Amino acid sequence: AQKVTQAQTEISVVEKEDVTLDCVYETRDTTYYLFWYKQPPSGELVFLIRRNSFDEQNEISGRYSWNFQKSTSSFNFTITASQVVDSAVYFCALRRNSGYALNFGKGTSLLVTP
Amino acid sequence: DTGVSQDPRHKITKRGQNVTFRCDPISEHNRLYWYRQTLGQGPEFLTYFQNEAQLEKSRLLSDRFSAERPKGSFSTLEIQRTEQGDSAMYLCASRSSYRVGPPDTQYFGPGTRLTVL
Repeated sequence: AQKVTQAQTEISVVEKEDVTLDCVYETRDTTYYLFWYKQPPSGELVFLIRRNSFDEQNEISGRYSWNFQKSTSSFNFTITASQVVDSAVYFCALRRNSGYALNFGKGTSLLVTP
Repeated sequence: DTGVSQDPRHKITKRGQNVTFRCDPISEHNRLYWYRQTLGQGPEFLTYFQNEAQLEKSRLLSDRFSAERPKGSFSTLEIQRTEQGDSAMYLCASRSSYRVGPPDTQYFGPGTRLTVL
């Protein structure tokens, strides 16, 4: 069975703080894909990153960085120097190599206050 | 605007009525997905089309739900005899088979929010 757990339901930080959003996944597949999506208050899901299971290199994109560790089945997302515009719900998702669907976690609601 | 569009954005209906939603994917995207999202939850997969063929359906898609993509372009999702439990945001996503932009990326529309009274 595929499962994605985002244990943090809500996080509140003050602007310019760093924040890490946790994602733990379960799968028996050896090939799979992990994703992060952002859902701002407007509601439209925005793609942030895709990772395949064979690529454990960490990735940095501006203030965003991702830490993929197969040993702990985690794919954590860090925002450095958070900004008010980062306030949104963030979803981690898993897709099987043989499947079509994205299997989403319940999301983490991030609130960044000035 | 070349993104995924959905119509209507909001729908309020009475229990027992039928409703139909439309999704227009990004032009030339041959893969189309429907998801349902309830408050405080992540999106849940409903069904998948590749061109006009419906290749996968979730067990969440009861007999009251039907989806079509007759010409491999836009898609419709119909719910018959709506129930209060059907109240949710219905999301459509599309994806290209070809390497355009980030690989394996589903692009989501703004969703249709359904309220069943």
